[in-house]
Amino acid sequence: EDKVVQSPLSLVVHEGDTVTLNCSYEVTNFRSLLWYKQEKKAPTFLFMLTSSGIEKKSGRLSSILDKKELFSILNITATQTGDSAIYLCAVNAGGGADGLTFGKGTHLIIQP
Amino acid sequence: DVKVTQSSRYLVKRTGEKVFLECVQDMDHENMFWYRQDPGLGLRLIYFSYDVKMKEKGDIPEGYSVSREKKERFSLILESASTNQTSMYLCASSVSLDTGELFFGEGSRLTVL
Repeated sequence: EDKVVQSPLSLVVHEGDTVTLNCSYEVTNFRSLLWYKQEKKAPTFLFMLTSSGIEKKSGRLSSILDKKELFSILNITATQTGDSAIYLCAVNAGGGADGLTFGKGTHLIIQP
Repeated sequence: DVKVTQSSRYLVKRTGEKVFLECVQDMDHENMFWYRQDPGLGLRLIYFSYDVKMKEKGDIPEGYSVSREKKERFSLILESASTNQTSMYLCASSVSLDTGELFFGEGSRLTVL
């Protein structure tokens, strides 16, 4: 059975800190790993990673994939209160809709 | 801008009632999905559809049905709501099943009393 594990499940830091969120996976037929950010409403797409070692970057957020060790990290530098959200990791394995497996999410709280 | 609209943000229903959750997307996407999201359990796929009138069961279809009469609209139906169906329901669409990139609606929070 495909599995995606995110850690930590929750995290509280102060504004300005740097955080690292983890996502490990065990799937057959890996195709891609995706990160989403969910505030109080719809999850919004952040990154899709398919190749090991290539960093994807968007402003203060960055992510990298290690296909040998089967994990990905999402880094947020100089955190702001607006970064408070649930961060979801999902792995696409098999290409079909039922091949997309989500982790339980990391609930990140940024305190002023 | 890509838009997935769920008609009801908050609903309160009684046990045994029939519940309709509507979802409309304006991106001409082939694929549409219904997930439920519960604390500690993450997102779980209920049903998906890859074409009009086509539907496939996801991981937890029991107690649910769906309807896709038009490409832009995907409805989730709870024939007889039960308290364990109290949850956040998220609709999503995608242009391709290969990438896994989904566009989500804002969610419908259903409480069944």
